[in-house]
Amino acid sequence: GNSVTQMEGPVTLSEEAFLTINCTYTATGYPSLFWYVQYPGEGLQLLLKATKADDKGSNKGFEATYRKETTSFHLEKGSVQVSDSAVYFCALSLKTSYDKVIFGPGTSLSVIP
Amino acid sequence: NAGVTQTPKFRILKIGQSMTLQCTQDMNHNYMYWYRQDPGMGLKLIYYSVGAGITDKGEVPNGYNVSRSTTEDFPLRLELAAPSQTSVYFCATRTGVHEQYFGPGTRLTVT
Repeated sequence: GNSVTQMEGPVTLSEEAFLTINCTYTATGYPSLFWYVQYPGEGLQLLLKATKADDKGSNKGFEATYRKETTSFHLEKGSVQVSDSAVYFCALSLKTSYDKVIFGPGTSLSVIP
Repeated sequence: NAGVTQTPKFRILKIGQSMTLQCTQDMNHNYMYWYRQDPGMGLKLIYYSVGAGITDKGEVPNGYNVSRSTTEDFPLRLELAAPSQTSVYFCATRTGVHEQYFGPGTRLTVT
């Protein structure tokens, strides 16, 4: 079946540290891949996306590259800030499916000053 | 342009009571979804709709019902509330390129 796996959290980093959150997927077909972010007390917001292999999504200093050969979409940021503290969700959507997006379990990130 | 709005923001129900969570969108998106998010967990899909008059079950539909009479509105009905339905409920819409837009959520406690 289709699924998304993320590294377990919580992740705690010092300000200006390098961030990597691993995400791998299993899918039939050719999915689009997403990272969503959820700040405390809010709904999910799209952070970045990639729709085909080797695409790089980027936003607010975050980047993720769609790696078909390793079925991965790892999230990276070179220098995190306290304001990046949130829960990050990796997700996939299949182009052949009109109905559902599959989310990973989420990874909680805390950035301390 | 308000996006996706949900009401109420908070609600406390007694066991056995019923209520409707409202969701309204002004983006003219055909696809709409209801998720629940339990503490420390990811999202579980309750119901979804691909257009007015069309709904289908997700992963955890038991104890819930939905209707979709218009493109804008997608209410979620809880019948006979149980403590297991204590959760945060999110409504979302989707564009043709599969990106989802979420409402701010409704925090429900059943005691």
